[in-house]
Amino acid sequence: IQMTQSPSSLSASVGDRVTITCQATQDISNYLHWYQHKPGKAPNLLISDASNLETGVPSRFSGSGSGTEFTLTISSLQPEDIATYYCQQYDNIPYTFGPGTKLEIK
Amino acid sequence: QVHLVESGGGVVQPGRSLSLSCVASGFIFNNYAFHWVRQAPGKGLEWLAVISYDGGHKYFADSVKGRFTISRDNSNDTLYLQMNSLRTEDTAVYYCARGRYPTILSALDFWGQGTLVIVSS
Repeated sequence: IQMTQSPSSLSASVGDRVTITCQATQDISNYLHWYQHKPGKAPNLLISDASNLETGVPSRFSGSGSGTEFTLTISSLQPEDIATYYCQQYDNIPYTFGPGTKLEIK
Repeated sequence: QVHLVESGGGVVQPGRSLSLSCVASGFIFNNYAFHWVRQAPGKGLEWLAVISYDGGHKYFADSVKGRFTISRDNSNDTLYLQMNSLRTEDTAVYYCARGRYPTILSALDFWGQGTLVIVSS
């Protein structure tokens, strides 16, 4: 299963609403997670099973979608959200990550 | 507090072997599956392998199948990745990550800081 993400990079202002899209090449139901990865740090699980916000993750993050199309939304971008965001499917082995979306502050 | 600490990275020549370790603490190790994931320089995350809670199930990405082996020592709370026949394209930061459940199908809910492997002559 191949995963694509769009955009590959994104520049937005503090307070903006940001949406990242992830597409799978076949139906993966809701078997999708979202991770945040900051340089030099360990990746961090943000959202599991397409829409379940992990404990401790700010409520400005949300996920939606099923089947082949998924979105990660940040309702009000904060400076600490600067990172690369990855989707990952676990419907089939090998698990596959999307290529990532690099988020920058304008 | 969950802690995962990888070690064993370094510089190795193409064709040689290297073994990575990941020591876990702060939770009951044998209640969880574990994964290895890597990130090559300037690239994204690549899932490599998973092992179930008891070591009975193991799966690999095609890119490392037949060259890498995943194992675990539940008595010492340690995960391993044995890497053989290394190639220059294996150069990456290698992360261990805990699966949320004992079986292989779950989110990767905690990650280590990674260990750098450089394959170069």
